[in-house]
Amino acid sequence: AQSVTQLDSQVPVFEEAPVELRCNYSSSVSVYLFWYVQYPNQGLQLLLKYLSGSTLVKGINGFEAEFNKSQTSFHLRKPSVHISDTAEYFCAVSLFGNEKLTFGTGTRLTIIP
Amino acid sequence: GAVVSQHPSWVICKSGTSVKIECRSLDFQATTMFWYRQFPKQSLMLMATSNEGSKATYEQGVEKDKFLINHASLTLSTLTVTSAHPEDSSFYICSARGRIQGGGNQPQHFGDGTRLSIL
Repeated sequence: AQSVTQLDSQVPVFEEAPVELRCNYSSSVSVYLFWYVQYPNQGLQLLLKYLSGSTLVKGINGFEAEFNKSQTSFHLRKPSVHISDTAEYFCAVSLFGNEKLTFGTGTRLTIIP
Repeated sequence: GAVVSQHPSWVICKSGTSVKIECRSLDFQATTMFWYRQFPKQSLMLMATSNEGSKATYEQGVEKDKFLINHASLTLSTLTVTSAHPEDSSFYICSARGRIQGGGNQPQHFGDGTRLSIL
């Protein structure tokens, strides 16, 4: 079975500073990888996804992530954060041919003015 | 983009009552819908997967008689929490996915969730 680990439960970052949210996965077969953002009392919004091809994936709101197969990682980055980026971020994985998503425990990103 | 509407957004009710939550895909046909449960400061846990016109597939440990799921059309799925008790209080989120074409992967589109509080 696949699993997702988000080691950082909380990440405080000053406004306009860069940020990296870490995600590692475990799977014996090939996977699809996703990052979702959740604002308070809302559902999840897809930030970006890796299905195949280029390992550097660009998403919405200036975020990007890089798939590293050898390190089984899919870290999320943004070069300069804004107050509006304050939210909970979830990394998720699904197996090829399997529609179910397995989520990590989430990372709360707090932007400090 | 794909929009999923979930209703109600918040419900408070007495212990023992049943509560129905609706999940609608507004601008696409959702062949598959998913229901998740999220406890405070925790991740989403998949409860069940439903395909239009078929019985839902429940994850291990989820009581199918407690959480009734109906997916009668390509745009609507409902989750009914029967005889709800305080321990059922949680944030319930649905997601929907359209028809897969060409072997590709369609992402799930999420509703805004329903906060259920049982007194």
